[in-house]
Amino acid sequence: EVQLVESGGALVQPGRSLRLSCVGSGFNFDNYAMHWVRQAPGKGLEWVSGISRRSGTTDYAKSVKGRFTVSRDNAKNSLYLQMNSLRPEDTALYYCVKNGRVPAAMGDYWGPGTLVTVSS
Amino acid sequence: QSVLAQPPSASGTPGQRVSISCSGSSSNIGTNTVNWYQQVPGTAPKLLIYSNNERPSGVPDRFSGSKSGTSASLAISGLQSEDEADYFCAAWDDSLNVWVFGGGTKLTVL
Repeated sequence: EVQLVESGGALVQPGRSLRLSCVGSGFNFDNYAMHWVRQAPGKGLEWVSGISRRSGTTDYAKSVKGRFTVSRDNAKNSLYLQMNSLRPEDTALYYCVKNGRVPAAMGDYWGPGTLVTVSS
Repeated sequence: QSVLAQPPSASGTPGQRVSISCSGSSSNIGTNTVNWYQQVPGTAPKLLIYSNNERPSGVPDRFSGSKSGTSASLAISGLQSEDEADYFCAAWDDSLNVWVFGGGTKLTVL
């Protein structure tokens, strides 16, 4: 059974940093691209970042480019999101998302999410 | 303001067929395939449709997707009470180099 479990969410002050982690199990982690998608309270979905199977390609939403860095450690079946210079508008539930076998199948499995709150 | 446009709400009675639209542009839906996600309140989204009209295993064939030009549509036939949820469309955008989502459609089963 595929499982994705995020951790690292917290209440942080504006301007501070936070690192999210996601551990995957039940599948060959290094065979799939991975993503982070967030959802602000009561709002829709926003894709944040994606990383290819062997970290050769990373992409970012314009809203986080230059502040967030996605990475992965395939030996640990883990995905990370380093978030710097956090802003109140980064407050959201952050989902770790697995890509399917087909490149277009973004999000065939989602974790339960980890909550990031940016507030003074 | 979402890049993909969806109606904020839709409704139907049990057994009915409902359709949800998703409108984009030449750089996203016009060039790439569309995915649909279902999100029951309080839970993570679930992939319903990928590549315009493909269903992951386990998704009932009551759910179907289609695409024409820069628009896509999700159809749900034989509506059931458990279909009450938020539905989101998404596509890769070649100009922005990001995945873009619709704002979501809240489906109410009357």
